[in-house]
Amino acid sequence: QVQLQESGPGLVKPSETLSLTCNVSGYSISSGYYWTWIRQPPGKGLEWIGAIFHTGSTYYNPSLESRVSISVEVSKNQFSLHLSSVTAADTAVYYCAREAGISPFDSWGQGNMVTVSS
Amino acid sequence: EIVLTQSPDFLSVTPKEKVTITCRASQSIGSSLHWYQQKPDQSPKLLIKYGFQSISGVPSRFRGSGSGTDFILIINSLEAEDAATYYCHQSSSLPFTFGPGTKVEIK
Repeated sequence: QVQLQESGPGLVKPSETLSLTCNVSGYSISSGYYWTWIRQPPGKGLEWIGAIFHTGSTYYNPSLESRVSISVEVSKNQFSLHLSSVTAADTAVYYCAREAGISPFDSWGQGNMVTVSS
Repeated sequence: EIVLTQSPDFLSVTPKEKVTITCRASQSIGSSLHWYQQKPDQSPKLLIKYGFQSISGVPSRFRGSGSGTDFILIINSLEAEDAATYYCHQSSSLPFTFGPGTKVEIK
């Protein structure tokens, strides 16, 4: 059974870059699926950030596209999120998830809380 | 961007009652509508996919219906463990979007 686990710092300074990694176990990233990042500000709803296919094709939310980059490292079976020029508005729980393409998110990580503060 | 609206925002319900949550899309999304349950401090869990399709391991009291722009999630005979926030999500077109959520409280 696939498992996803986010890792990364819990505190990032304003204007810096937020970087998170999602380690995937129980399934090979190179076998398919779109590997996704979703975030949830405290007490608020869910926002799709973007996704990457194992080939490296990426899809981003236009609202974040100028600041976001998602990459994949097939050899390590993991993918990463980089969000630049962060502000307090980027404070959220960041989830990695999996979807098959125009599909529901069928597996989620437990989430990584990131606070943007000096 | 497709906007999803949910109603109600909040429900306070007695165990064994029936719960109905609606999700409306700003344009037709066919059957590309999915429902998730999120309990406090947990990640969302997929409950129903493509409007009505059940998910292995999810209790049968959770039912979905609808297509086009209007969708419904029904929880038959609510149990205490169903206290959570429920979100709809559309995968019809990018960017994928979620509804604002419906919080279900147990009386």
